[in-house]
Amino acid sequence: NAGVTQTPKFRVLKTGQSMTLLCAQDMNHEYMYWYRQDPGMGLRLIHYSVGEGTTAKGEVPDGYNVSRLKKQNFLLGLESAAPSQTSVYFCASSPSGEAGGPETQYFGPGTRLLVL
Amino acid sequence: KQEVTQIPAALSVPEGENLVLNCSFTDSAIYNLQWFRQDPGKGLTSLLLIQSSQREQTSGRLNASLDKSSGRSTLYIAASQPGDSATYLCAVRRSSNTGKLIFGQGTTLQVKP
Repeated sequence: NAGVTQTPKFRVLKTGQSMTLLCAQDMNHEYMYWYRQDPGMGLRLIHYSVGEGTTAKGEVPDGYNVSRLKKQNFLLGLESAAPSQTSVYFCASSPSGEAGGPETQYFGPGTRLLVL
Repeated sequence: KQEVTQIPAALSVPEGENLVLNCSFTDSAIYNLQWFRQDPGKGLTSLLLIQSSQREQTSGRLNASLDKSSGRSTLYIAASQPGDSATYLCAVRRSSNTGKLIFGQGTTLQVKP
């Protein structure tokens, strides 16, 4: 049971390049989330998904797209990277609780992205 | 708009000291509040979760309290150890059906041997 894994661990991009960050979880969780963490700003929610085939915007969705084609995977895409997207990206997942809503979130180790 | 603030941003204490980390939030309509630990270069690990109807939760040397009416939570660490050195983040969840969390900026704790 690997939990939540993220690929890649580190990436350097040039302005305007595109890339996809992959998050995978093997816990059969319904809910998945993408956050970014910047110095002094805590974590901010980019996009999230409440189940396979669904996605929704978080606090800071601009410049990012996501897809959840399979329950275990949640992809975060940058179509045209900008220096402002230099950050550490965290993926999280959570199971459904007894009332049907999500419970505690489990986090991946993060992806460090540098956009030059 | 919900805002979460953690003070202080950094804290250094000698080993063995009891300490309190503070978290405040502006909107008392929360579903629950969580405390997380983050080690350098690592992801977040959940420490304690307090439901809105609860006043406190305990796990080992950790005790978290919640006062919704005043918009405050504290994380109490007893008999601190060097292994407790990490960044501690609190996060509030407003809704029961999406799980969206609003995070504070974190308090970086250093426990000196």
